Amino acid sequence: DTEVTQTPKHLVMGMTNKKSLKCEQHMGHRAMYWYKQKAKKPPELMFVYSYEKLSINESVPSRFSPECPNSSLLNLHLHALQPEDSALYLCASRDPSLNTEAFFGQGTRLTVV
Amino acid sequence: DAKTTQPPSMDCAEGRAANLPCNHSTISGNEYVYWYRQIHSQGPQYIIHGLKNNETNEMASLIITEDRKSSTLILPHATLRDTAVYYCIVSRGGANSKLTFGKGITLSVRP
Repeated sequence: DTEVTQTPKHLVMGMTNKKSLKCEQHMGHRAMYWYKQKAKKPPELMFVYSYEKLSINESVPSRFSPECPNSSLLNLHLHALQPEDSALYLCASRDPSLNTEAFFGQGTRLTVV
Repeated sequence: DAKTTQPPSMDCAEGRAANLPCNHSTISGNEYVYWYRQIHSQGPQYIIHGLKNNETNEMASLIITEDRKSSTLILPHATLRDTAVYYCIVSRGGANSKLTFGKGITLSVRP
C-alpha cells in the first residue's frame, strides 16, 4: 500500500469555525509533511513531523495547529481562518532513514468563506 | 536545502523526447536531486531521483552533470498525459530534511 489518504477531499468553512484535516499512511514512514498550495503556485512547506515530533515549523500562523497522534496519522487543526487561507492542502510521507521519495496525498481543497 | 532554477515552460510534440533542464549550482555533497510532477490540482507524483550517477526507471531518465550543478529529466516518448508542472528538488535524506519546491517548469505536450 503506497497511498497517502487525505480527508476530506473538499471542505468549506466559515471564519469562526473549527475544522480538522486528516492524513493517513500505512507505509511505516516516520516523516510526515503538510504543504499549502495556492492556485498556479508551487506547494509551500508548512510543517514537518519526524518520529511523531514536530521538527520544522515554517513560521506558520497559530491558527494552523498540526498534530501527529501516532506514526500513521497526521492532523491539521484549523481555527479562525481567513479567506486568504483558501488553498489546496497537501500531505506527504517519507522514510526519514533513507534517501527515498516522498509520497503525496491528493490534497484537501479548502475554501474559507 | 539547495535552491533550483528551471525555465518556466517548454513544449514538445507527442512521441518525441522531452528534455527538462534544472540548475542546482549550490548543491552539496549529500543532497540528492529529485523530480516530481503535478498534473492539474492533483498531488505531486514522484518520478525519479539520483545522487551523481545517471538513473533510469520506467517513467524517465535522469542525467546529472559530473559537477552535479545541473541535471536533465528525459521523458523518452512524451504523451499528452505527460502535460504537467515538473519540479526539480534538491534534498538530503534524514529526519529533519525538507522537500522545498521551486517554481517548476510547465511542460505542454502537443498532438
